[in-house]
Amino acid sequence: DQQVKQNSPSLSVQEGRISILNCDYTNSMFDYFLWYKKYPAEGPTFLISISSIKDKNEDGRFTVFLNKSAKHLSLHIVPSQPGDSAVYFCAASGRSGGSNYKLTFGKGTLLTVNP
Amino acid sequence: NAGVTQTPKFRVLKTGQSMTLLCAQDMNHEYMYWYRQDPGMGLRLIHYSVGEGTTAKGEVPDGYNVSRLKKQNFLLGLESAAPSQTSVYFCAIGTGPGPQHFGDGTRLSIL
Repeated sequence: DQQVKQNSPSLSVQEGRISILNCDYTNSMFDYFLWYKKYPAEGPTFLISISSIKDKNEDGRFTVFLNKSAKHLSLHIVPSQPGDSAVYFCAASGRSGGSNYKLTFGKGTLLTVNP
Repeated sequence: NAGVTQTPKFRVLKTGQSMTLLCAQDMNHEYMYWYRQDPGMGLRLIHYSVGEGTTAKGEVPDGYNVSRLKKQNFLLGLESAAPSQTSVYFCAIGTGPGPQHFGDGTRLSIL
């Protein structure tokens, strides 16, 4: 059973516009959420995170929103740049069974930002 | 990715051969992880370690063994490689709750 879902395999946006990447989760014990960015032939790179005690976290052009009641989070990139083109993974961890050091990943969304 | 070094970067094996992937870190993190990434499947945890001398199974451990004899090294072994183990393997390190930091991966093809 997939506990972290990224239902959009790909997303294409124009440079300068907003990119919105979505992620849903099913495990109510998850309380920490992360976004990673991955370029081809490289490892995933940590981008931004949010704890369940917050509903928004911002870092420059990147903002993550968390809706706990809907078990949904989203990553907003404003403005989008061609260098943002990459695969974005949503990940989650929780305190269930002391497993707050393990991450569960979604399948990823390929973002393409067109010049 | 500074701090996590994976060797080799590429390898082609024949079915039934064995090999060991090495992950080395220079950040003194307690936690180390091995993932595999397959097309359309995201990252799946194979095995992990919460400290020197410890290992534990992840989501997809079958066909793999691991060892962490030294804190800075985490080895992933394939005893008898199968085509289903063709994948990109990533090592990650962490301090517990919070982000994990990944190496650049090992691309493994099994014919």
